[in-house]
Amino acid sequence: DTVLTQSPGTLSLSPGERATLSCRASQSVNINYLAWYQQKPDQAPRFLIYGASSRATGIPDRFSGSGSGTDFTLTITGLEPEDFAVYYCQQYSNSAITFGQGTRLEIK
Amino acid sequence: QVQLVQSGAEVKKPGASVKVSCKTSGYTFTAFEIHWVRQAPGQGLEWMGWINVGNAYTKYSQQFQGRVAVTSDTSANTAYMELSSLRSEDTAVYFCARYGIGYVFDFWGQGTLVTVSS
Repeated sequence: DTVLTQSPGTLSLSPGERATLSCRASQSVNINYLAWYQQKPDQAPRFLIYGASSRATGIPDRFSGSGSGTDFTLTITGLEPEDFAVYYCQQYSNSAITFGQGTRLEIK
Repeated sequence: QVQLVQSGAEVKKPGASVKVSCKTSGYTFTAFEIHWVRQAPGQGLEWMGWINVGNAYTKYSQQFQGRVAVTSDTSANTAYMELSSLRSEDTAVYFCARYGIGYVFDFWGQGTLVTVSS
C-alpha cells in the first residue's frame, strides 16, 4: 500500500499568515486520486481539494493544492480563525485507500 | 440533499461483533461506492474497506481482512459494516462515506462510536 507521510505534525501560526502543509507518498500517486480533507473536533472530515488541485464547491480560494508524483502541498493563504483544524491527505490506488497521519494547524 | 445517517453508539465486550448501519438518501444508492473509515480517540483516519453497491463487490484493508464485512441492502438504501472479534483497540468512531465524483469522499455519515470494554 502507498504510505502517505504528512509534515509537519503540528503547525502553529497566527490568523492572516500562510500555512504550507506537505504530503509525501511512498510511491507515485495519480493526481486524479489525491485529495485533502479538513476535520474539526467531533465532526466528520470535510473534503477540500480533489484531483490534487481542484477546490470542492464552496471552498474559499485561500485554499489551494498542488503537486505531482510523490510530493503534494496544501496551502492556505491568509488564515482565518475557522481554518484551525486537522488536515489529512488521502490517495487511492490498486483499489485501496490510504490517509496521511494528519497535520494539526493550531493558533499561535 | 445527500445524507448519510448512521446507527447509534454501541458498547461491546471483547470478542463480540458489531454491525453499524449507514442509511443514505438524496442520490441513486447504486451509483456510488460506500467506504468505511474509522478514527480511534485522538488518532487519525484509518480506511477499512468499501463496497460497490451496484454489484456488491467488496475490497478490504489488509489490516481488517477476515474480520470485517461490508454489505448493502439496495431496497433500503443502506450499507452495513460488521466487525468481529472485537478488541479494546477497536474502540473508535466509525464513519461511512460516499466515494463521489472526483474520486473523493464527498459526503460522510455523522460517525458511530463503538466502545469495546469488558
